[in-house]
Amino acid sequence: KAGVTQTPRYLIKTRGQQVTLSCSPISGHRSVSWYQQTPGQGLQFLFEYFSETQRNKGNFPGRFSGRQFSNSRSEMNVSTLELGDSALYLCASSLGTPRGGTQYFGPGTRLLVL
Amino acid sequence: TQLLEQSPQFLSIQEGENLTVYCNSSSVFSSLQWYRQEPGEGPVLLVTVVTGGEVKKLKRLTFQFGDARKDSSLHITAAQPGDTGLYLCAGAYTGTASKLTFGTGTRLQVTL
Repeated sequence: KAGVTQTPRYLIKTRGQQVTLSCSPISGHRSVSWYQQTPGQGLQFLFEYFSETQRNKGNFPGRFSGRQFSNSRSEMNVSTLELGDSALYLCASSLGTPRGGTQYFGPGTRLLVL
Repeated sequence: TQLLEQSPQFLSIQEGENLTVYCNSSSVFSSLQWYRQEPGEGPVLLVTVVTGGEVKKLKRLTFQFGDARKDSSLHITAAQPGDTGLYLCAGAYTGTASKLTFGTGTRLQVTL
């Protein structure tokens, strides 16, 4: 079974630009969660999508948004990039059952904002 | 605000030594998970504990969930270089199992 895949793996953008990251979950998984990992703040939850609906949301500004498609693939978008958005963005997929189920993480997309 | 504090932040030990990593919170979690992350990769789940006082063993790793479900510990016996990595605890609240609150992390280096 293929694992969680994320594209692209590396990205360089400049301040003010916008970026879209993609995540393909494990086949059969309906929940996709996104996390931001930085040296200063560690791993922080951005949002979770389940069956194309945002089910949970973290404490990030509205510049961070996401969506999920009918095949459970998910994208997250960051508009008007700031230097502080430089981070490793991780997505995790799970069955999304009420008890959650094991979350499997992808390798991440490393974003550098100049 | 970081709700889960891990200690120590860094640990450098020699092969064969024992170590314990602590994960503490003022919040009660419905479950707590431990992950290991290696450079360039995403975190990999090691264990999930759900019952207060629960102890789980995974080969040389022993995980314990506090009685009040606010803290946890990871003990590694006879550490090996392959244990090197970033260890993360993560808590989940009832009803939001996919929304994990991660700890500050413990970076472990095991040398020969």
